[in-house]
Amino acid sequence: ETGVTQTPRHLVMGMTNKKSLKCEQHLGHNAMYWYKQSAKKPLELMFVYNFKEQTENNSVPSRFSPECPNSSHLFLHLHTLQPEDSALYLCASSQDRGYQPQHFGDGTRLSIL
Amino acid sequence: GENVEQHPSTLSVQEGDSAVIKCTYSDSASNYFPWYKQELGKGPQLIIDIRSNVGEKKDQRIAVTLNKTAKHFSLHITETQPEDSAVYFCAASPGAGNMLTFGGGTRLMVKP
Repeated sequence: ETGVTQTPRHLVMGMTNKKSLKCEQHLGHNAMYWYKQSAKKPLELMFVYNFKEQTENNSVPSRFSPECPNSSHLFLHLHTLQPEDSALYLCASSQDRGYQPQHFGDGTRLSIL
Repeated sequence: GENVEQHPSTLSVQEGDSAVIKCTYSDSASNYFPWYKQELGKGPQLIIDIRSNVGEKKDQRIAVTLNKTAKHFSLHITETQPEDSAVYFCAASPGAGNMLTFGGGTRLMVKP
């Protein structure tokens, strides 16, 4: 089983829909991250959680709402998204916040209609 | 904050040739430099990393060199193979407790 698993792999939604992305890590790590990967742009860090507590929010719009119920699971709740939010959303984990290396999942490809 | 520039954005080489990807960083406090490989439909996978107390690190066909004075580091792939075709990302971090800053990526194409 892969270390970091993301579901769904693909998601198409309208701007008024509400959906959630899920990430699960099986590595025993304490820190989890959400990144946004858009075409021709560097990976953008969105949120960081360490021991279930949010430690970073990089000025992400409130239409993205993260949730971390425990150190193994991370969710990204989506509502009222915009077309420019279409991207690959990657989850990663590491032993502790900022501790390297980070291990990535395969991402959720999100398309906003 | 940290800024990481990566060049070239695309690189095409013949199978068996070497490939070199270069990155520069701005924060002199950075001391951890990983390289990730991202294949189509997959997430980035760590392939090699280096910390600032060493100048070079090798792992079979891949190597990374670091010049802290000039604030640049490079990935070297020798004897390239078609399966090396992917997007490669460099990153930098000031170390424990700090986040990674990624470069813009290099699409490497190895022609058989």
